[in-house]
Amino acid sequence: ETGVTQTPRHLVMGMTNKKSLKCEQHLGHNAMYWYKQSAKKPLELMFVYNFKEQTENNSVPSRFSPECPNSSHLFLHLHTLQPEDSALYLCASSQQKLQLGYYGYTFGSGTRLTVV
Amino acid sequence: AQSVTQLDSQVPVFEEAPVELRCNYSSSVSVYLFWYVQYPNQGLQLLLKYLSGSTLVKGINGFEAEFNKSQTSFHLRKPSVHISDTAEYFCAVSAGGTSYGKLTFGQGTILTVHP
Repeated sequence: ETGVTQTPRHLVMGMTNKKSLKCEQHLGHNAMYWYKQSAKKPLELMFVYNFKEQTENNSVPSRFSPECPNSSHLFLHLHTLQPEDSALYLCASSQQKLQLGYYGYTFGSGTRLTVV
Repeated sequence: AQSVTQLDSQVPVFEEAPVELRCNYSSSVSVYLFWYVQYPNQGLQLLLKYLSGSTLVKGINGFEAEFNKSQTSFHLRKPSVHISDTAEYFCAVSAGGTSYGKLTFGQGTILTVHP
């Protein structure tokens, strides 16, 4: 158990479906992140939430919609995805200290998404 | 802007041999440096981190890394590897002095330990 829990672990969805990925942390962290990991590509930062406010959106298509209702939960809502969106989606959290840097991320085990 | 280059995409090595995984970074400000490991079908696990102080950092599973500011490198080493060290390893950098952290990852190095 890493302290960051992602569900589901595996998801197969059609291009017209709507689904959501969930991430939960009980580490007391105040920042949460979504990353996309595709085969043979570097990790891609998708979204950053700091103190529940979205502080970064790295030009992610609108078919991906994040939601952070509180500092412990993060969702990624998916709709009308494309086959190229198939990847491992990783959630991470960290404790941000203003002007003091931070101490690295804690990652979840990821959701393996397959779009058919 | 910051960036990370992992110089080897794959490193094969025999069990009990030493290994070095290379990482170079670029940043215009002071940095924090990290190594993560990812086992198959799992998330990333922190191996070690350099925030300040001693340039030789020791981590879990017998790994260590040395921060070299003049060469902008943060290479990962282990004197004797085990089969269980087979995994993908990621170097990451974050610039210091920001109000929140953002990690930039390298492309990853797949370490394969052969018996």
